[in-house]
Amino acid sequence: EDQVTQSPEALRLQEGESSSLNCSYTVSGLRGLFWYRQDPGKGPEFLFTLYSAGEEKEKERLKATLTKKESFLHITAPKPEDSATYLCAVQPEYNNNDMRFGAGTRLTVKP
Amino acid sequence: DAGVTQSPTHLIKTRGQQVTLRCSPKSGHDTVSWYQQALGQGPQFIFQYYEEEERQRGNFPDRFSGHQFPNYSSELNVNALLLGDSALYLCASSSTGTYGYTFGSGTRLTVV
Repeated sequence: EDQVTQSPEALRLQEGESSSLNCSYTVSGLRGLFWYRQDPGKGPEFLFTLYSAGEEKEKERLKATLTKKESFLHITAPKPEDSATYLCAVQPEYNNNDMRFGAGTRLTVKP
Repeated sequence: DAGVTQSPTHLIKTRGQQVTLRCSPKSGHDTVSWYQQALGQGPQFIFQYYEEEERQRGNFPDRFSGHQFPNYSSELNVNALLLGDSALYLCASSSTGTYGYTFGSGTRLTVV
């Protein structure tokens, strides 16, 4: 069965303290892996799509990487406005009508 | 360019009642998916609509039903509400042949 596990569940950082969020996945053929940002009471906001192992994408202070079993979201010199829940989701090759989400990592960046 | 629009934003219903949630997809998108997100959890797939038909369904009971209209907008209906149905209901739209979804801000349903 397809599974997505995110760690840690919660992460508290000081402003400027870089760190990484992990997304481990098990899927029978990966069509795409997605990272979303979700603010409280809002819908997920798209960040990145990764398709194959070795791929990397960057946006401002965020960088996403992908291996055959996991993805990392690296946050460099975070600011308080980066505080949010970061969700990882996989879309399997055999079923591109469903996106399987992890439970998310709740990031808090303190000034 | 309007993104995905959902209504209402908040709703309080009594156990046993029925509810209808509405979604207008992003311009140019023809596929609508519905997700349920319980507090502290990731979104869970309910079903997807394309060409006015349910294309796929997640592990949700028949109390959850939907509809897609010719203009691609969609409704989610939940009958015989249970306390456990309290959640954020998210609508996501996409375009055939592309990857990834655009999400709306959701409808917060509280069942009392």
